[in-house]
Amino acid sequence: DAGITQSPRHKVTETGTPVTLRCHQTENHRYMYWYRQDPGHGLRLIHYSYGVKDTDKGEVSDGYSVSRSKTEDFLLTLESATSSQTSVYFCAISGTGRGYTFGSGTRLTVV
Amino acid sequence: AQTVTQSQPEMSVQEAETVTLSCTYDTSESDYYLFWYKQPPSRQMILVIRQEAYKQQNATENRFSVNFQKAAKSFSLKISDSQLGDAAMYFCAYRSTSHLNSGGSNYKLTFGKGTLLTVNP
Repeated sequence: DAGITQSPRHKVTETGTPVTLRCHQTENHRYMYWYRQDPGHGLRLIHYSYGVKDTDKGEVSDGYSVSRSKTEDFLLTLESATSSQTSVYFCAISGTGRGYTFGSGTRLTVV
Repeated sequence: AQTVTQSQPEMSVQEAETVTLSCTYDTSESDYYLFWYKQPPSRQMILVIRQEAYKQQNATENRFSVNFQKAAKSFSLKISDSQLGDAAMYFCAYRSTSHLNSGGSNYKLTFGKGTLLTVNP
């Protein structure tokens, strides 16, 4: 989507390996979010950031860490991937207004 | 914590007909935003319509309208003159309007589990 990109779009990885997903924005928005989408669960918040180096946990944060060293980039890391982390991951950005913009999603498969 | 419930996992409608998707939510706040998002097979999340709780008038966007019942905490989406391109997963979402000096946690979206809409030709 305009102003926000996620990479990679698809990834297959082995159990136990580290994985990093990247979210990049060009909107200079303060707030960035990582969600995961699973059938029957909708989208659930993993972690979010409200500024450079300012992050906090969401409702499903176990097994994930994040970093935001500059405004435009928000990284999601799976330290040791497990099959339960097979999912579609979405990044979203928001200013102080009402709108959200979502990335195109990353489909991660852990085998 | 806020919760959002979509009680219809799947719905179907005939092309050109009208369909209503249900959403209820639970909150102790008086001001907030409600959203409907559409997710077609392309996986992209598309904003359909937005409602501000302090506005009594129901939001409308072309063929899409909502029935916002604040006291009942209900926020249903009506799609009129359904088209094949309306087939998608639809998510209802809630967002607080309060701001915290320490961070942005109240700006997060809380989603329902979604309703898969099928449009039959």
